[in-house]
Amino acid sequence: QKEVEQDPGPLSVPEGAIVSLNCTYSNSAFQYFMWYRQYSRKGPELLMYTYSSGNKEDGRFTAQVDKSSKYISLFIRDSQPSDSATYLCAMKAAGNKLTFGGGTRVLVKP
Amino acid sequence: DTAVSQTPKYLVTQMGNDKSIKCEQNLGHDTMYWYKQDSKKFLKIMFSYNNKELIINETVPNRFSPKSPDKAHLNLHINSLELGDSAVYFCASSSEDRAGGYTFGSGTRLTVV
Repeated sequence: QKEVEQDPGPLSVPEGAIVSLNCTYSNSAFQYFMWYRQYSRKGPELLMYTYSSGNKEDGRFTAQVDKSSKYISLFIRDSQPSDSATYLCAMKAAGNKLTFGGGTRVLVKP
Repeated sequence: DTAVSQTPKYLVTQMGNDKSIKCEQNLGHDTMYWYKQDSKKFLKIMFSYNNKELIINETVPNRFSPKSPDKAHLNLHINSLELGDSAVYFCASSSEDRAGGYTFGSGTRLTVV
């Protein structure tokens, strides 16, 4: 069993819909939680960063962490075709080793 | 002004050859990493260097040897390439601030034929 589980998708939504992504994890030592976006043939880029439990909002993006359930989510409001990409969750304990989920491919159709 | 740059972007080579990938970051970060991304998009850490010192060495065949001449550079040399080495290799860097995320390069797509 992988430390971080993420549904690979693809997740297809119409433009303007809310995209809902999530990851589950098994390591209770994880404290830092991130979401990365990766376009085809590009490197991952950091979208959202959260420490411990709680919510964080940045424009159209909201990240949620529920440490008691070992579950994190990313919501994208008013989705655009340019949001079509693979979204990777990532997390780490104290120290620098970042562990990634397998990524969810998202397709926003015009 | 690229923050983390890797060369080459594409590499096609025959089985048994030896090849190197280079990475440079201009962010002033102390820690650099090599990740391997397979065909299913799963990113797996291979190595990590902090100020030229190897701090993470995951279960990777010893045909893979990283080298960090200074904290801005991290290279990856691969001996006796095998078909299963075909993947995209990403370099990344981060600051010592434990709250920091990683900045990734654009990747090197390695195809072994």
